[in-house]
Amino acid sequence: EAGVTQSPTHLIKTRGQQATLRCSPISGHTSVYWYQQALGLGLQFLLWYDEGEERNRGNFPPRFSGRQFPNYSSELNVNALELEDSALYLCASSLAPSTDTQYFGPGTRLTVL
Amino acid sequence: QQQVKQSPQSLIVQKGGISIINCAYENTAFDYFPWYQQFPGKGPALLIAIRPDVSEKKEGRFTISFNKSAKQFSLHIMDSQPGDSATYFCAASIGSSNTGKLIFGQGTTLQVKP
Repeated sequence: EAGVTQSPTHLIKTRGQQATLRCSPISGHTSVYWYQQALGLGLQFLLWYDEGEERNRGNFPPRFSGRQFPNYSSELNVNALELEDSALYLCASSLAPSTDTQYFGPGTRLTVL
Repeated sequence: QQQVKQSPQSLIVQKGGISIINCAYENTAFDYFPWYQQFPGKGPALLIAIRPDVSEKKEGRFTISFNKSAKQFSLHIMDSQPGDSATYFCAASIGSSNTGKLIFGQGTTLQVKP
């Protein structure tokens, strides 16, 4: 069974640009979660999507947004990039929201110059 | 109150020894406590998880001990091996079906010396 996949592996942008990160959940999983892992800050919850709807978001500004497609894959968009947005962005998936177990992908390393 | 405090920040253990990582929480509404293992350049992988109605759970060399009254839980790695060298994160959630949010500790970097 294939795990959670993310693309691209690395992304380099300059300040003010937009970044788009993609995630494909484990087959059969309908919930997708996004986390930011910045150096020294641990993993911070960003967004949760289920059945195409945003269900919850963490304490991040509105320039962090995303969507979930009918095939349950998801996209995270970060607008007006700032230097402090440099981090590893992790996507996780789970079966329907009734389960707590989240399985993580390898992440996308975003570097903002 | 939403925080999970993890200690130590780093740990060095000899091969064959026991590695112990501790986490503490304040919010008694937390009802799910997973541990994740993360190798450099990889995403976190679920190791083992526990719920508050159980005081201990063992899977192979990994054991979670849970103390509900003290609001603490810990990961014990028995017979630690160099391949266990990684960063370990504890986490907690309040019924993920409502929030989807795992709250993570700051992580512990474990080095197992051969």
